[in-house]
Amino acid sequence: DAGVIQSPRHEVTEMGQEVTLRCKPISGHNSLFWYRQTMMRGLELLIYFNNNVPIDDSGMPEDRFSAKMPNASFSTLKIQPSEPRDSAVYFCASSPMGGSEKLFFGSGTQLSVL
Amino acid sequence: SQQGEEDPQALSIQEGENATMNCSYKTSINNLQWYRQNSGRGLVHLILIRSNEREKHSGRLRVTLDTSKKSSSLLITASRAADTASYFCATENSGNTPLVFGKGTRLSVIA
Repeated sequence: DAGVIQSPRHEVTEMGQEVTLRCKPISGHNSLFWYRQTMMRGLELLIYFNNNVPIDDSGMPEDRFSAKMPNASFSTLKIQPSEPRDSAVYFCASSPMGGSEKLFFGSGTQLSVL
Repeated sequence: SQQGEEDPQALSIQEGENATMNCSYKTSINNLQWYRQNSGRGLVHLILIRSNEREKHSGRLRVTLDTSKKSSSLLITASRAADTASYFCATENSGNTPLVFGKGTRLSVIA
């Protein structure tokens, strides 16, 4: 198994541009999580899905952030418009158990908004 | 919001020594997990300990959990340079909520 696949690995964009981050979870996993990591705030949960349905998006910082999971093998996190304070590493993780037991993380997307 | 808080924030030891990292948390949990993150990589699950367990071993890793003190420790024995990484504790709170991570301990093992 290839593990959780995220793309792109790095994204550099200018303030105001739309950014789309992509994630392919491990096949058969029921839960998918988007986390954001910064030095100041550590790892923050943005949103998670169970069986493709968004369960809790209370961690999404603003309406500029949106996430979708159109099917079991693909999810996107979109920021529109992006701002410099969105600069962070964004991680996608999946779990086989329909919960939070043993998350499998992707390698992350390093986002820089200039 | 942060649930687990690791201590120390950073730790530097010589190869062969043991490394101990601690995690404290605030609310009741279903389980507590430890993850490792190498620089520029995603987190990797190391070990899970349930709220009704007190100690668990996996290779050179030993995890303890004291629910009365709301704390856990991760011991890495006979450390190696390859153990250099950040280590995070994460808690699944009662009610099957998603994992909440601490800010981590940066471990440096010097050869």
